[in-house]
Amino acid sequence: EPEVTQTPSHQVTQMGQEVILRCVPISNHLYFYWYRQILGQKVEFLVSFYNNEISEKSEIFDDQFSVERPDGSNFTLKIRSTKLEDSAMYFCASTLPGGWLHFGDGTRLSIL
Amino acid sequence: KNEVEQSPQNLTAQEGEFITINCSYSVGISALHWLQQHPGGGIVSLFMLSSGKKKHGRLIATINIQEKHSSLHITASHPRDSAVYICAVQKTSYDKVIFGPGTSLSVIP
Repeated sequence: EPEVTQTPSHQVTQMGQEVILRCVPISNHLYFYWYRQILGQKVEFLVSFYNNEISEKSEIFDDQFSVERPDGSNFTLKIRSTKLEDSAMYFCASTLPGGWLHFGDGTRLSIL
Repeated sequence: KNEVEQSPQNLTAQEGEFITINCSYSVGISALHWLQQHPGGGIVSLFMLSSGKKKHGRLIATINIQEKHSSLHITASHPRDSAVYICAVQKTSYDKVIFGPGTSLSVIP
């Protein structure tokens, strides 16, 4: 069964550095999402992406964040200058309209 | 006020018990999802509901759209059912998913 894949599974980065989290959604899906989960808290929406542009973003998704789908398969989340509070598990998800959500296994981001 | 609430927050059950987790939401929705998150962190979709009831193995999910309420039932619970169960809603079929806080279930042998 096709699945959403995320890399790396764990990323450790110094505060202030840039990180890129990568996702390969299911190939025929049309809607793509990034969510994050701070340890011990609920999953929060960051951004949704459709037709090669952001369709919605949350208050969390400030100017430090950006998303791209550069080649029609990869879907990336970039954090330009990481802060300690960016430490979290980041999940990518993809879906068809009205379809089941498919999540990746997540990238654990640790900011030192 | 959170748009999605769940109860209980934590649940401990003996193996074999019938388990119910409740979800209430305050917005109009096109679909409600029940998700499972294991200690490793990965999230798996269990059900997507827009009305009525669905069953998959020992899991049953129901939704009452008028009352804005859904339940997830686990029959004959087993230690491998131990996980966090999350209720999440979508306002439209392509909208973001709004997550509830989750219910942490521990099934003891």
